[in-house]
Amino acid sequence: SQTIHQWPATLVQPVGSPLSLECTVEGTSNPNLYWYRQAAGRGLQLLFYSVGIGQISSEVPQNLSASRPQDRQFILSSKKLLLSDSGFYLCAWGTGTGRYEQYFGPGTRLTVT
Amino acid sequence: SQQGEEDPQALSIQEGENATMNCSYKTSINNLQWYRQNSGRGLVHLILIRSNEREKHSGRLRVTLDTSKKSSSLLITASRAADTASYFCATQPLGGGGGNKLTFGTGTQLKVEL
Repeated sequence: SQTIHQWPATLVQPVGSPLSLECTVEGTSNPNLYWYRQAAGRGLQLLFYSVGIGQISSEVPQNLSASRPQDRQFILSSKKLLLSDSGFYLCAWGTGTGRYEQYFGPGTRLTVT
Repeated sequence: SQQGEEDPQALSIQEGENATMNCSYKTSINNLQWYRQNSGRGLVHLILIRSNEREKHSGRLRVTLDTSKKSSSLLITASRAADTASYFCATQPLGGGGGNKLTFGTGTQLKVEL
């Protein structure tokens, strides 16, 4: 069966510090991968998605970047965090082959102070 | 921008009652999906309905889709306390969109009281 991992679960970082959130998927090959951000009490905003190694599409211009160094690894980064980067970050995967459901990780709660 | 808008934003019912949530969207879609999110957790996929379907059932869930009105509803029958969660609709644009990406609504917070 497939599983998706995210870490860390929670993170408190000062303004101006770097960020690296990691997401890995097990039990599937060549998944589509997604990063979302959810503000408190709000819906999900798609930040980045990837259909293959090294292929990143950005949905919203911002202070963040994403990379996919391996087939089942997706990384969200920032060189200098802003207060507005606080939120709940969710990674998800989909098969991309005729099935359209997405499967979510447990999320990372980021607080920028 | 959020494609889907759920209504109501919050809903409180008694255990055993039915819960109905609505979703409206703006553009033509390939499919519409419903997800559940327990507080502080990731989302869980509940059900997918394609644009050429009008109704779909899964256990205690019933989803309807009206593409002429660009709206969908999720009915949870005989609700339980464990159904307490936020529910989101998500749409996939006609043509699939790059990477099969989804646009999520703002969600309905459902509270089921004993």
